Order: sequence, then C-alpha cells, then structure tokens
Amino acid sequence: TQLLEQSPQFLSIQEGENLTVYCNSSSVFSSLQWYRQEPGEGPVLLVTVVTGGEVKKLKRLTFQFGDARKDSSLHITAAQPGDTGLYLCAGWTNAGKSTFGDGTTLTVKP
Amino acid sequence: GAGVSQSPSNKVTEKGKDVELRCDPISGHTALYWYRQSLGQGLEFLIYFQGNSAPDKSGLPSDRFSAERTGGSVSTLTIQRTQQEDSAVYLCASSLGGGGYEQYFGPGTRLTVT
Repeated sequence: TQLLEQSPQFLSIQEGENLTVYCNSSSVFSSLQWYRQEPGEGPVLLVTVVTGGEVKKLKRLTFQFGDARKDSSLHITAAQPGDTGLYLCAGWTNAGKSTFGDGTTLTVKP
Repeated sequence: GAGVSQSPSNKVTEKGKDVELRCDPISGHTALYWYRQSLGQGLEFLIYFQGNSAPDKSGLPSDRFSAERTGGSVSTLTIQRTQQEDSAVYLCASSLGGGGYEQYFGPGTRLTVT
C-alpha cells in the first residue's frame, strides 16, 4: 500500500502570511497532483508535476516535486481568505492508480 | 460543457437497507473513479473503470460494495445491507484516461446511515 502523508493537518493563519504544506511518501510516483476542495464540492485540480525537481508556479502558489519523486510541497505567498479550503495531494503510479493524502485544511482569516 | 454529475446529492437510509448511487461522467472520458471521503479527510479509493478493461476493485472495503459502468458511460455504486460506518461522502471522478490525467470530480453524494 502506497501512503501519502500530508502535514500539517490543520493550518489557521492571518491574511498576508505565507505557508507551506507538505506531502511525503516512501514510494516513488510517476506524477503527483495537488487539488483544492471547498465544502460541498468535489476537488479541483491545481497542478500536475511529473519531473523530479520540477517547480511550477501559479500566481501566488509554488509547487515543487522532490528530486526522488517521493515528496512534494505547496507554498502560498501572501495568503488570502479565498485560499481557504482543503488541499489534497495525489500520487500516481505507473499502473494508473492514484493515492490521495489525508489533506490539509487551510483557514485564512481576514 | 457539462461536468460530472452525481445523484442523489443526499441520501439518508436505515441500517440494513440497500442504496444505489449514480454517476454521469463527462462525455468522452474513458476513465471513471469512485472514492469515499469522511468529513474533512482525504479520499479513499474504491474502484476504477478504464475503457473496456476489467475494473480495478481493489479498494472496495467489503463484498457489500459493488459497482458497474454501463456502455462505458454512467456508473452505479451499490451498497448492500448498509452499516453506520458506510456514512460518508461518495465522490465520482472521470478523466480522459488513466494514470495522471486530470480527474474531474462530481459534487458527491452524502450518505447517512441511521
């Protein structure tokens, strides 16, 4: 069984602060995705990273895939209340199967 | 275009009853996934359909759970003899293919077993 551990589980910060969420595993993944989920809705894809060491930026969000393709991080700069939600990482194997982490619940207070 | 739809949005059932949950994927998506999610938690993989291949049922928690996908489109997840521990949100997702394609999720069905 391939497990993905996310940390922290809960994060509450003030608007304007920076934060980093981590996703770690002992397994190697062919690719890794980050999703964001709001209450009452399904997760929505933010990014897919494929290459070890890859860094992708989406406005204030920076995603990094570890060199060994076992871990990833999501960094948010100057967080805003609209960033509030559940952040999920999902690792994909070559067999076409995904494993989701338990999620990080982020609350950004105005 | 239309996204993934699921019905019903909410289902309350008595322990021991059977329930059917429906998922309408995005047209043309060959892969379809079912997941289960407890409040504020991650997604637990249940079953995966890819094209005409035999489904990957490795995530089904017991033989009370089954799913089918008719004509490569609509899917139904059936839970027989429901138990209180089955209470959760059941999410369906579809994608263009398996293995790393973006999954498009439906809004989920919230199942409550009393």
